[in-house]
Amino acid sequence: QKEVEQDPGPLSVPEGAIVSLNCTYSNSAFQYFMWYRQYSRKGPELLMYTYSSGNKEDGRFTAQVDKSSKYISLFIRDSQPSDSATYLCAMSVSAGNKLTFGGGTRVLVKP
Amino acid sequence: DGGITQSPKYLFRKEGQNVTLSCEQNLNHDAMYWYRQDPGQGLRLIYYSQIVNDFQKGDIAEGYSVSREKKESFPLTVTSAQKNPTAFYLCASSIQGLAGGRETQYFGPGTRLLVL
Repeated sequence: QKEVEQDPGPLSVPEGAIVSLNCTYSNSAFQYFMWYRQYSRKGPELLMYTYSSGNKEDGRFTAQVDKSSKYISLFIRDSQPSDSATYLCAMSVSAGNKLTFGGGTRVLVKP
Repeated sequence: DGGITQSPKYLFRKEGQNVTLSCEQNLNHDAMYWYRQDPGQGLRLIYYSQIVNDFQKGDIAEGYSVSREKKESFPLTVTSAQKNPTAFYLCASSIQGLAGGRETQYFGPGTRLLVL
């Protein structure tokens, strides 16, 4: 069983819809949680970072962490075709510890 | 224009051949990393270096080697011992340490390695 699980998709939504992404994990020691966006044949770029449990909002993006359920989510409001990409979750035990990545979810936003 | 560059964009390897992937950064970051990405498996850490002339194995180091002679450069060699080298290879850097949380890892554009 992988340490971080993520549905590979693809997740197809119409433009303007809310995109809902999630990851589950098994290591209760994880405290730092990140979401990266990766366009096809490009390197990942950091979208959101959250420490411990709670919500964080940045523009159209909202990240949620539920440590009791070992579950994290990313919501994208008012989705645009330019949001079509693979979204990777990543987490670490501490700021000085390596990142463990999920397999990524491919998202398609149709105009 | 600061960032991380990787070359080549595509690389073809013949049976039994060693090949070297280049990674250069001008962000003045201390730490550099190499990841391998396979479909559906996310990123897996191959090697990392927190300081010049020092590096450590990641989760899947077998069949790979690295060097860190300069702060801005961290080349990865895929040796003939790596039996399944076809993958997308990503280089990353961060200010220091094994980045997590606030300490962002910045990624290069990647090199796609294919076996002939």
